[in-house]
Amino acid sequence: AQSVTQLDSQVPVFEEAPVELRCNYSSSVSVYLFWYVQYPNQGLQLLLKYLSGSTLVKGINGFEAEFNKSQTSFHLRKPSVHISDTAEYFCAVSAWYSSASKIIFGSGTRLSIRP
Amino acid sequence: DAGVTQSPTHLIKTRGQQVTLRCSPISGHKSVSWYQQVLGQGPQFIFQYYEKEERGRGNFPDRFSARQFPNYSSELNVNALLLGDSALYLCASSLGDEGGTDYNSPLHFGNGTRLTVT
Repeated sequence: AQSVTQLDSQVPVFEEAPVELRCNYSSSVSVYLFWYVQYPNQGLQLLLKYLSGSTLVKGINGFEAEFNKSQTSFHLRKPSVHISDTAEYFCAVSAWYSSASKIIFGSGTRLSIRP
Repeated sequence: DAGVTQSPTHLIKTRGQQVTLRCSPISGHKSVSWYQQVLGQGPQFIFQYYEKEERGRGNFPDRFSARQFPNYSSELNVNALLLGDSALYLCASSLGDEGGTDYNSPLHFGNGTRLTVT
């Protein structure tokens, strides 16, 4: 079975400061990893994905994430945040499991930016 | 191109009633998934459909059912509504794959239907 743990439910950060949102996963099979962002009253939007290859992946809006297989982590980072980054961020894993693909989401991290 | 569209955007129902939620995927996408997002939590997988066939089912009771139509649109039905069914219901589409191996394809989400059960 797969599971996703987002270690921080809320992360307050000052504008233009760096931020890291943490994600750990467990799975008995190989997985693909995603980060999604959800703005208020909207659905989820893909930020970035790791499928294979370079462990450092870059996404939209200046975000990047690093896949660490030994630590089973996929932390999301941004060197300088903006007010517009205020949103909920979800880490997700996808795998072929029990004859069907399934995507499991973490519980989310609320990023709040202080001016 | 239009994104994933869901209707209605908001819905208020009474306990015991039945509800039908609708979803139109992105043009060309053959796979549709449904998720339930309770306030303060991540989306929970309910169903996945591809080419009108159920490909996956999450840990939800039989009161939840879905179907996909030949034009790839989908409906989610919930019978005998409970207060705990109050949530944002999200539909997501992806290209899909006949072999079901498209699990590396990102999901494209609609803005959801906010269901309130009183």
